Formats: sequence, structure tokens, C-alpha cells
Amino acid sequence: DAGITQSPRYKITETGRQVTLMCHQTWSHSYMFWYRQDLGHGLRLIYYSAAADITDKGEVPDGYVVSRSKTENFPLTLESATRSQTSVYFCASRLTDNSPLHFGNGTRLTVT
Amino acid sequence: QQQVKQSPQSLIVQKGGISIINCAYENTAFDYFPWYQQFPGKGPALLIAIRPDVSEKKEGRFTISFNKSAKQFSLHIMDSQPGDSATYFCAASILRAGGTSYGKLTFGQGTILTVHP
Repeated sequence: DAGITQSPRYKITETGRQVTLMCHQTWSHSYMFWYRQDLGHGLRLIYYSAAADITDKGEVPDGYVVSRSKTENFPLTLESATRSQTSVYFCASRLTDNSPLHFGNGTRLTVT
Repeated sequence: QQQVKQSPQSLIVQKGGISIINCAYENTAFDYFPWYQQFPGKGPALLIAIRPDVSEKKEGRFTISFNKSAKQFSLHIMDSQPGDSATYFCAASILRAGGTSYGKLTFGQGTILTVHP
């Protein structure tokens, strides 16, 4: 089934470790986004990308790194995980800047 | 800085009742206001959206009311059903042609809706 796939669904890691969350979409959408969801904060934008090799910071980018060498992939890396990065992470994509935003089913990350 | 404020944080409604969720925004450049619905273990999905050139949009039991002067918009769910129990997010973005916002959505804090049978 075409769509947007995130992996892993669940991840537990230790403080200080590097973690990469994967996002793959089969629609060839130009725009991709990473959000984190925390109770009381809703969804906050971490990074976004308008096309391959074009990325920019969102509202809460500190401690995160992204890359987009291929249109269909948009991995999110936590360089040195901290407990405050415990969250549910959602990847999303859209065809154009005014088309509906489609979300993956999220990755629940716990940093111990 | 919370540019979109949503209330209430949680809402309990009886089956058949009306659910109302409110949002207020600060940035007058916003020109697209969608609502997303999220079920447990799933990503949010677009429910309904409105542009500021209209004051109301209805799709089935779901209605968005928009007040540009007050910078507020709300979601009304008529005849609420247990299957509507979910988390609802309002959002806002800038879609003005020629802009560089890439349609980034700013979300509200979310409302957990529970509809009792």
C-alpha cells in the first residue's frame, strides 16, 4: 500500500546515544516534514524539506539533524539523545505547499 | 511562542450531543486553517479545512466557523458519535502564492474528545 512509512515504530535508547528515525514515502511528494508530539504542546515542527537537498529548520530544531539525498527519504537523527527528546515523532509529506498533509503512524522514542 | 492556541484540552460529550473546539491565532498572515483528527496509534489525518474568504464550511456532521476579525475559528461536531472519540488538532499556515513558507503548518495543543454512548 503506497503511503508514508516510519521506522521503527518504537525505540528505547540511552542518553548520549545517536538515534536515526526513518521516513519513506511512495508518492514522490516534494515537501516533507518532521514533527514531535508532546502532551500540552501539540505538534511542533522540527525540520522540513521542500525537495531533495533542500532542508530548513522548524520551531524546535536543536539536537536534531536531517538529510534528504533522495526525494522519498527524509531521516531524522538525534546526534546525542537527551531525556527531553522522549516523544512521539511524526513524519509527513505533501505534494505541493497547499495540498493536504499526510502523516505516517509515528515513532515512539524513549530516552532513558 | 504559541501562535495557535486551542481549547479545551479535553472534552467529554454524550452521544448525539454537539462537540465544540476552539482555536485562536496571532499571525494575521495565516490564510489556511485545517483541522486534523488523530486516533490512538495513528498519525493525524486531515478532517476539514477553511480559507479566510468564507465564514463557515460544512462537511457532513463537521463544521468550521471562522471569525477573521477576532482571529478565531472553531470546529463543531454535530450528533457526536463514540467513533468520533479522538484527538483533534487545529492548525494554520500561510499559502500565499509566491511565499516561501512551504505551507508549514503551526498546530494547536490538541483536544482529546471522548464521546460516551
